[in-house]
Amino acid sequence: KAGVTQTPRYLIKTRGQQVTLSCSPISGHRSVSWYQQTPGQGLQFLFEYFSETQRNKGNFPGRFSGRQFSNSRSEMNVSTLELGDSALYLCASSLVGMVGGNSPLHFGNGTRLTVT
Amino acid sequence: QQQVKQSPQSLIVQKGGISIINCAYENTAFDYFPWYQQFPGKGPALLIAIRPDVSEKKEGRFTISFNKSAKQFSLHIMDSQPGDSATYFCAARITRAGSYQLTFGKGTKLSVIP
Repeated sequence: KAGVTQTPRYLIKTRGQQVTLSCSPISGHRSVSWYQQTPGQGLQFLFEYFSETQRNKGNFPGRFSGRQFSNSRSEMNVSTLELGDSALYLCASSLVGMVGGNSPLHFGNGTRLTVT
Repeated sequence: QQQVKQSPQSLIVQKGGISIINCAYENTAFDYFPWYQQFPGKGPALLIAIRPDVSEKKEGRFTISFNKSAKQFSLHIMDSQPGDSATYFCAARITRAGSYQLTFGKGTKLSVIP
């Protein structure tokens, strides 16, 4: 079974631009989450989508948005890029969640975004 | 209140030794505690996980010990190997309306020297 696929692997953007990152979950996984990883803040939750609906959101400004398509693929968009947005953006997929359930999050290898 | 504190920040262990990484949490709503292993250039990969109603879980050389009353859990890597050199993250999961959200510790960079 193919894992979580993220494209592109690397991106270089200029301050003020916008960027779109893509994620294809594991086949059969309908939940897609996004995380930001930086050396200073570590791994931080951005948002989670299920059946094209955002169900949960972390503490990030509105410049960070996402969407999910009917085939469960997801995109994340960051508008008006700032230097501090430079990070590794990770996508993770899982089966539908239940409290105490053992369905883990499976991560892709991320998109490395550099803002100059 | 959703913080997960992880220590140490870095760890050097000799080949064959035991690596121990500790985590503590505050929120009693966490329902699942996974450990992830991350190699440079790769995403985190699930290593082992435990539910709060279990005190210990072992998979091969990896063991999680869980102390619910103290709100602490730890990862033990027995017979550490150079191939175990990676960054390890503990995490705690909260479930809201079917949505899983992980809160991660800051990570421990493990170096296993021959």
